[in-house]
Amino acid sequence: GAVVSQHPSWVICKSGTSVKIECRSLDFQATTMFWYRQFPKQSLMLMATSNEGSKATYEQGVEKDKFLINHASLTLSTLTVTSAHPEDSSFYICSAPSLQGDTQYFGPGTRLTVL
Amino acid sequence: GNSVTQMEGPVTLSEEAFLTINCTYTATGYPSLFWYVQYPGEGLQLLLKATKADDKGSNKGFEATYRKETTSFHLEKGSVQVSDSAVYFCALSDLGSARQLTFGSGTQLTVLP
Repeated sequence: GAVVSQHPSWVICKSGTSVKIECRSLDFQATTMFWYRQFPKQSLMLMATSNEGSKATYEQGVEKDKFLINHASLTLSTLTVTSAHPEDSSFYICSAPSLQGDTQYFGPGTRLTVL
Repeated sequence: GNSVTQMEGPVTLSEEAFLTINCTYTATGYPSLFWYVQYPGEGLQLLLKATKADDKGSNKGFEATYRKETTSFHLEKGSVQVSDSAVYFCALSDLGSARQLTFGSGTQLTVLP
């Protein structure tokens, strides 16, 4: 089946720095990708929808200046957590919908820890 | 708004035991319902789905039936294996596709030999 990769799989950074997370569709093109955030023992919460060649669509309550999304090509979307703080520590997951729209293909996630 | 409530884990079973993971939902209209599974170190994968009332989704010995009257989509398997150890997520989409998913909190299943 289709594969979505994420890089890095985990990252530790200091408070105030910025961190970039990459999401790649390896064997298919994705004009749309989704970014989720998951807290321990909680649901995946949709943060934003990344659209190739246009601005991302953010869910209510998600700061677009804090979580910068760039979907520069049909196989790559990036999420940059700017001026990270400890409360941004979380598990970030991306996904891309199938061509038929009947499922999503998920990346393995990125564990971010901000000290 | 939409919401999905899943049975809390973790769940620990012996091999060949019967598995049920409860899932109930709240949604407007007639959502599609999904079960995703996440094996250690991997991304979520679609396990099964159902798009209308009374539909039964099935895959790899797992089954779930879309029950509109009880707004439920419980996951069942008659005989679990060690390889079924994973986190299971119930989800719904009310847009007729999987483009906008609302997830439950996930249930960790551990199967012991």
